[in-house]
Amino acid sequence: EPEVTQTPSHQVTQMGQEVILRCVPISNHLYFYWYRQILGQKVEFLVSFYNNEISEKSEIFDDQFSVERPDGSNFTLKIRSTKLEDSAMYFCASSDRGWTEAFFGQGTRLTVV
Amino acid sequence: SQQGEEDPQALSIQEGENATMNCSYKTSINNLQWYRQNSGRGLVHLILIRSNEREKHSGRLRVTLDTSKKSSSLLITASRAADTASYFCATDMDTGRRALTFGSGTRLQVQP
Repeated sequence: EPEVTQTPSHQVTQMGQEVILRCVPISNHLYFYWYRQILGQKVEFLVSFYNNEISEKSEIFDDQFSVERPDGSNFTLKIRSTKLEDSAMYFCASSDRGWTEAFFGQGTRLTVV
Repeated sequence: SQQGEEDPQALSIQEGENATMNCSYKTSINNLQWYRQNSGRGLVHLILIRSNEREKHSGRLRVTLDTSKKSSSLLITASRAADTASYFCATDMDTGRRALTFGSGTRLQVQP
């Protein structure tokens, strides 16, 4: 069964460093998303991406965040200068249409120290 | 309450019993989806119910949707210890916004 894959599964980084989280969405999907979940809290929407551009972003997704689809398969989330409060599980998701089920990856646990 | 709030927050039952979790939301939706999350792991899509549907089944799962009350329920029948997880509802709001809004989740513990 097709699945969304994310790498790495766990990343530890020092405050102020840049991190890139990688995702390979399901191949025929057109909509891509990043969500995050701070430990013990809700899953929060960060950004959606369609047709090679951001279609929606939340207030969390500030100038420190960026997304890119550098080739036909990868979808990345970059955090330019990490803060302690960026520590969370980051989930990538994809869907074939905006109103159908979104399939999530296993997540990348980001720990900022 | 916020969009997509589940209750109860925690539920503990014995294996073989049924588990019912509820979700309430505030704005009109295109669809509502239920996800499962094992501790510290990814989100697994369980079932999607569209706004024009009232009930949907998938194996031991039964989901209902009442758009007049803006609520949904997830029923897991004949629960198993392996069903122990957190369950989240997520709403696709009818605002054109391409994002899911998740609730706080129900933590289900199934005792063997």
